[in-house]
Amino acid sequence: EVQLVESGGAVVQPGGSLRLSCAASGFAFDDYTMHWVRQVPGKGLDWVSLITWDADTTYYADSVRGRFTISRDNRKKSLYLQMDSLRIEDTALYYCAKSQDGSGYFWWDGLDVWGQGTTVSVSS
Amino acid sequence: SSELTQDPAVSVALGQTVRITCQGDTLKNYFASWYQQKPGRAPVLVIYSKNKRPSGIPDRFSGSGSGNTASLTITGAQAEDEADYYCNSRDNIASLLVFGTGTKVTVL
Repeated sequence: EVQLVESGGAVVQPGGSLRLSCAASGFAFDDYTMHWVRQVPGKGLDWVSLITWDADTTYYADSVRGRFTISRDNRKKSLYLQMDSLRIEDTALYYCAKSQDGSGYFWWDGLDVWGQGTTVSVSS
Repeated sequence: SSELTQDPAVSVALGQTVRITCQGDTLKNYFASWYQQKPGRAPVLVIYSKNKRPSGIPDRFSGSGSGNTASLTITGAQAEDEADYYCNSRDNIASLLVFGTGTKVTVL
């Protein structure tokens, strides 16, 4: 079964740090670009970051660039998001998701596998 | 960054057809994808590359687009299609992914 399972969400104070993990199974993890997407309950989807299959390229949303770092370990079939200098507005459910495109060129063309999310709450 | 705008809500009678639109300049250059999200659940990809359906997605879901507008059509809407729907594509200039504002579909 193709599956993504996130973990690491917690309650943290503003200015704090957190590391999210996403464990993949059931597909060739090292062939695909992976993403983090977040969602405030009751609000829309908000893309956070992506990393190409070989970790050679990473992109970030303007709102997190310089504070968040995406990484992956293909041997462990795992995706990570290091979140530093957290702000109250980073509070959300964080999903990891897989690009459906295996070529790497069309990383934006559909995210076909999603985890169930892990909750990050930034509060004093 | 680019914006993708959707109508906040639409309703459709059971068995009828509903079209959801997504507008943004980036759609002139890049295909849209569409996602269905039910309450408390993760999004599900229903259309990619403007009009392709992943395996397991019913053929009542179809995608189209022209110019700065992409559309998702549900032909013969079912009660289980009641959900939030989001479009997405890449930013027109920067290497960013952008989601639409979302449309809540109610099946009457």
